[in-house]
Amino acid sequence: AQKITQTQPGMFVQEKEAVTLDCTYDTSDQSYGLFWYKQPSSGEMIFLIYQGSYDEQNATEGRYSLNFQKARKSANLVISASQLGDSAMYFCAMREGNRQVNYGGSQGNLIFGKGTKLSVKP
Amino acid sequence: EPEVTQTPSHQVTQMGQEVILRCVPISNHLYFYWYRQILGQKVEFLVSFYNNEISEKSEIFDDQFSVERPDGSNFTLKIRSTKLEDSAMYFCATQGNTEAFFGQGTRLTVV
Repeated sequence: AQKITQTQPGMFVQEKEAVTLDCTYDTSDQSYGLFWYKQPSSGEMIFLIYQGSYDEQNATEGRYSLNFQKARKSANLVISASQLGDSAMYFCAMREGNRQVNYGGSQGNLIFGKGTKLSVKP
Repeated sequence: EPEVTQTPSHQVTQMGQEVILRCVPISNHLYFYWYRQILGQKVEFLVSFYNNEISEKSEIFDDQFSVERPDGSNFTLKIRSTKLEDSAMYFCATQGNTEAFFGQGTRLTVV
């Protein structure tokens, strides 16, 4: 079974509109982390936003917000006021069993979804 | 803003040759990872490294692969005898507290 499922291979959005990119995950761990990364055509992976499984509030970072619905195991990315520069691949990723480290963080490898290609139309 | 730096950005090598991909982590980060992305596919975990040893590795990371941190600064991925199917983008990622930050990647082409 897929651990991370992104059901939208491609999405179009009009400039200045909001868009939601879907992500569902599958884990039996109680402690986990959810991430979104942006990959422009140049290839680099840019960290956007993080949500911990115990975080009660939805994460927000500027125009990015994560709609975390734990019972449904979904972690959708919402981009508000889309810009032409938002055109890219977007990957959802999960870190299972957020292993705690001494300074209160967590570590572990990321499992990625297949990505959604977002195209912003002028 | 601190960033993860990878060199080279592109590498073309002949099948059977050894390659070394290099990464300079963000300075206070303690956890290091290598991932790869075959063209058009998803990003796959290869190996994680902490306290000068491998902490986890995937089934992709077989005996042809090795990692080390030779000088306490660079973090390297070595592929001993490259195969055509090793052609991919290789990403180094480093982590401090929670978020993992990726380098810009090395595009490896095996011919």
